[in-house]
Amino acid sequence: GAVVSQHPSRVICKSGTSVKIECRSLDFQATTMFWYRQFPKQSLMLMATSNEGSKATYEQGVEKDKFLINHASLTLSTLTVTSAHPEDSSFYICSAREGTDFYGYTFGSGTRLTVV
Amino acid sequence: GQSLEQPSEVTAVEGAIVQINCTYQTSGFYGLSWYQQHDGGAPTFLSYNGLDGLEETGRFSSFLSRSDSYGYLLLQELQMKDSASYFCAVSPFYTGGFKTIFGAGTRLFVKA
Repeated sequence: GAVVSQHPSRVICKSGTSVKIECRSLDFQATTMFWYRQFPKQSLMLMATSNEGSKATYEQGVEKDKFLINHASLTLSTLTVTSAHPEDSSFYICSAREGTDFYGYTFGSGTRLTVV
Repeated sequence: GQSLEQPSEVTAVEGAIVQINCTYQTSGFYGLSWYQQHDGGAPTFLSYNGLDGLEETGRFSSFLSRSDSYGYLLLQELQMKDSASYFCAVSPFYTGGFKTIFGAGTRLFVKA
């Protein structure tokens, strides 16, 4: 089945620095990938939709200058958290789908970001 | 907009059957999906209902009634490994089906 690889799985960074998270579709091409944020024991909140070759679409309330998304190829999307602060500490997950069905999305393993 | 409501927690014993409900208020969607997520892990796709009725996949079944704005996930022969969070999700018409909106999730605790 479809596999999405996400790296790093855990990262600790200092306040004010930037962190890049990578999401790769390993055995399929993904023109669209999605980035979610999840706080402990809460739901997945869609942050943005990453589109290959074009600008990402951000959900209301998500700062696009803080969460930079680049989808440079059909298999790679990156999320960069710029000037990170402790309140950015969270679990970030990407997802993609193979094909055009409205379900069956494959998720990356997630990145636990801790900003100290 | 979309709003999906689930119970926050459910507890059941090993071998039992448990039903996790999902009620929603939505302007229209392509189907209702269910995902499982273990602590610290990635969500994994379990089941999808594009049409009303029951879908069965092994020990898991899912049901949808659009007229009642209601769906559920049924887990049979519960095992300890089923302890996880379960999310219902929809792909709304207004997104062209591209986006998935998740419910708040139900934490299932399976006891021996």
